[in-house]
Amino acid sequence: DIVMTQSPDSLAVSLGERATINCKSSQSVLYSSNNKNYLTWYQQKPGQPPKLLIYWASTRESGVPDRFSGSGSGTDFTLTISSLQAEDVAVYYCQQYYETPLTFGGGTKVEIK
Amino acid sequence: HVQLVQSGAEVKKPGASVKVSCKASGYTFTTYAIHWVRQAPGQRLEWMGWINPVNGNTRYSQKFQGRVTITRDTSASTAYMELSSLRSEDTAVYYCVRELVAGVFAFDPWGQGTLVTVSS
Repeated sequence: DIVMTQSPDSLAVSLGERATINCKSSQSVLYSSNNKNYLTWYQQKPGQPPKLLIYWASTRESGVPDRFSGSGSGTDFTLTISSLQAEDVAVYYCQQYYETPLTFGGGTKVEIK
Repeated sequence: HVQLVQSGAEVKKPGASVKVSCKASGYTFTTYAIHWVRQAPGQRLEWMGWINPVNGNTRYSQKFQGRVTITRDTSASTAYMELSSLRSEDTAVYYCVRELVAGVFAFDPWGQGTLVTVSS
């Protein structure tokens, strides 16, 4: 199974500042035939199901604010919130869909400093 | 408006089975696969398996093989997940999710979740 490791477990960022979350996969999730990274990011607020933010590692889902961006390739990925807003307080998860079993990272909790 | 609506919370005794339903609306049910993901307290999200609504073909995580059964009723646009031989570690919120586009196992939307509590 592909193991997804996120860091840090939690971070506190001031409003308007940048938040950076890392995700590392135990093997590459880059599919060579189409040059796509099979990596997605979700946001989960308390009491709610996760919400899709980013897929193909860097494609923003419709309606997601452009302060959210994804980057990386192969085994190392980053989710960046360029200017943290109060409504961004949540837990963020990465997930690989390169192969089954599909696997998720352990989550990163983002709070306001 | 694409939506997945799940059945309500369940309380089960160890050794029992639970069956959770997931009714889809706002799109053609047979166009997209449905997966099941669970979230136990303090644990990471865990993928359980998926079903192709067209032909009913399924694939399960090895972890749940033999205990989980995913089915669908195309006439009702509903998918089901049954988990048997329940133990306390199966206490979790169970989500049905739809693939984003055909063949792409990124998930949107998610059902609201069904809390299954296993307790004697």
